[in-house]
Amino acid sequence: EVQLVESGGGLVQPGGSLRLSCAASGFTFSSYTMHWVRQAPGKGLEYVSTINTNGGSINYANSVKGRFTISRDNSKNMLYLQMGSLRAEDMALYYCARGRSPDYWGQGTLVTVSS
Amino acid sequence: DIVMTQTPLSSPVTLGQPASISCRSSQSLVHNDGNTYLSWLQQRPGQPPRLLIYKISNRFSGVPDRFSGSGAGTDFTLKINRVEAEDVGVYYCMQVTQFPLTFGGGTKVEIK
Repeated sequence: EVQLVESGGGLVQPGGSLRLSCAASGFTFSSYTMHWVRQAPGKGLEYVSTINTNGGSINYANSVKGRFTISRDNSKNMLYLQMGSLRAEDMALYYCARGRSPDYWGQGTLVTVSS
Repeated sequence: DIVMTQTPLSSPVTLGQPASISCRSSQSLVHNDGNTYLSWLQQRPGQPPRLLIYKISNRFSGVPDRFSGSGAGTDFTLKINRVEAEDVGVYYCMQVTQFPLTFGGGTKVEIK
């Protein structure tokens, strides 16, 4: 069974940093492009970032470029999102998602940015 | 960036009746490889998104056949043949042809 489990969310002050993790299981992680997508409370889905299978191709939304870094560790079946210079508008539920479609999504981890 | 425009914003439907959601992209979603990477997602209340349809019309594993997708180029449609209570939620179209990936604003399906 494919599982994606996000963690690392929490309360952080504006300007602070946070590292999100996504633990993958039930499939060959190294064979799939992975994404981060977020959803602010009561709002729609917003693209954050994508990393290809070996980390050699990475894309970001303009809203996070220069502040967030996506990475992966295929030996550990883990996807990461290092977030810095956090703003109030970054407050959201952050989902990791698998593949081109994308076909499987985690339950999300909540990031709250507040002083 | 490709802008995805969904209509309607809300769709009140009688149980057992059909529902239709439209999605229009600001430019063609045909990829250089010939595929059109347009997906439809369902988000039930309090749940993460769930893939229903990929590449315009392919139903994902486990998705009931009352869901169907159609379209080409810049105009796409999701149809629910006979709406059931479990279909309540917000539906999003999403393009995966070009970065940054972009989503429609969502269509809320509710029961009359």
